Amino acid sequence: DGGITQSPKYLFRKEGQNVTLSCEQNLNHDAMYWYRQDPGQGLRLIYYSQIVNDFQKGDIAEGYSVSREKKESFPLTVTSAQKNPTAFYLCASSISDRGNSPLHFGNGTRLTVT
Amino acid sequence: ILNVEQSPQSLHVQEGDSTNFTCSFPSSNFYALHWYRWETAKSPEALFVMTLNGDEKKKGRISATLNTKEGYSYLYIKGSQPEDSATYLCAFSPGGGADGLTFGKGTHLIIQP
Repeated sequence: DGGITQSPKYLFRKEGQNVTLSCEQNLNHDAMYWYRQDPGQGLRLIYYSQIVNDFQKGDIAEGYSVSREKKESFPLTVTSAQKNPTAFYLCASSISDRGNSPLHFGNGTRLTVT
Repeated sequence: ILNVEQSPQSLHVQEGDSTNFTCSFPSSNFYALHWYRWETAKSPEALFVMTLNGDEKKKGRISATLNTKEGYSYLYIKGSQPEDSATYLCAFSPGGGADGLTFGKGTHLIIQP
């Protein structure tokens, strides 16, 4: 079955450590996205990639980094510079980067930093 | 940062009743409007993508309308069932459509048997 896989489902880290969240898709989609959800807020865009080896900052990119070395993979690193890293992170993909392509989401990773 | 508003924030509806809720978005520089359903412990699932003013889309008992000139979209659920309980998200894509979606905070719908 085609889909998006995020791992792990839950992640715990100590403050000051970098942590990488995995996102893999086998839908052959060109575009991939990372969103963050906090209580009482809508999904906020962190980074997106329209094609391999290219990515752009979203609305809240500070303290995060990404790579897109393969079409199917778009890992997100939460660095120690991110001031409030505890959140629920959703990865998504779409056939193209055009805004009329529906997003397909993974099941999310809940990150807790103490 | 674009402003996408959804109302109400939460809604309790009796099983069998019909309901609707609203998404407001910037009326200028419109490209597309998305609706997603997000059930607990699952990933958000696309319901509709609408691009034309006056668009009306339907999927079973759920339908949506779009007014790009005044910047709003309605989602309607006819004859609510317990499985309709979810958070419904709308998302706006501005002109060009290549910069990612801006999501509203969602409407949390609870269907009471």
